[in-house]
Amino acid sequence: GENVEQHPSTLSVQEGDSAVIKCTYSDSASNYFPWYKQELGKGPQLIIDIRSNVGEKKDQRIAVTLNKTAKHFSLHITETQPEDSAVYFCAASFTGTASKLTFGTGTRLQVTL
Amino acid sequence: ETGVTQTPRHLVMGMTNKKSLKCEQHLGHNAMYWYKQSAKKPLELMFVYNFKEQTENNSVPSRFSPECPNSSHLFLHLHTLQPEDSALYLCASRPDRGASVTDTQYFGPGTRLTVL
Repeated sequence: GENVEQHPSTLSVQEGDSAVIKCTYSDSASNYFPWYKQELGKGPQLIIDIRSNVGEKKDQRIAVTLNKTAKHFSLHITETQPEDSAVYFCAASFTGTASKLTFGTGTRLQVTL
Repeated sequence: ETGVTQTPRHLVMGMTNKKSLKCEQHLGHNAMYWYKQSAKKPLELMFVYNFKEQTENNSVPSRFSPECPNSSHLFLHLHTLQPEDSALYLCASRPDRGASVTDTQYFGPGTRLTVL
């Protein structure tokens, strides 16, 4: 089955700096890679996702890059703000009617003033 | 709000109790999921239901019993749990019909379960 590794487990950046979280996956058949943000007391919320037919996707301050050959994908947050502080999870799956996400262990991002 | 609600939000129970967690989605989805979230571990998929039929049981102990009476509701019945079952239990849903098919899962806020 799929295995997803995520690094780092914790990340502290100053407000305005960029943050990068990296994930690797093991199953070359995986073709869908979402990123979720989980704030305290809430469930994970999808913030961006990418499919294997593209290498990069941007949404305002958030971008995701995918390297299928190396089987890794990364989340980039620019101009970080205190409200970006949360736990971020990457995941991977193979598209299908029984779509199952395999999650990374999470990265706790702390944006300091 | 994502349209997925879970009740109760917090639950404390003894090992001999029987309780149930409830999940309801107002998004018209037909696939529903139960996950267990423990500290410093990846989200663990427990069960998957599609069109009310269970399609996945990820080797979950029988003290956890899911029920899906319709595509909008999902229950997790709990009995004779162990302290190591204490965790955040998350429900998610996904559209899996026709043009709405997507891999995106929408999560509820979770139930924080403590087993004494």
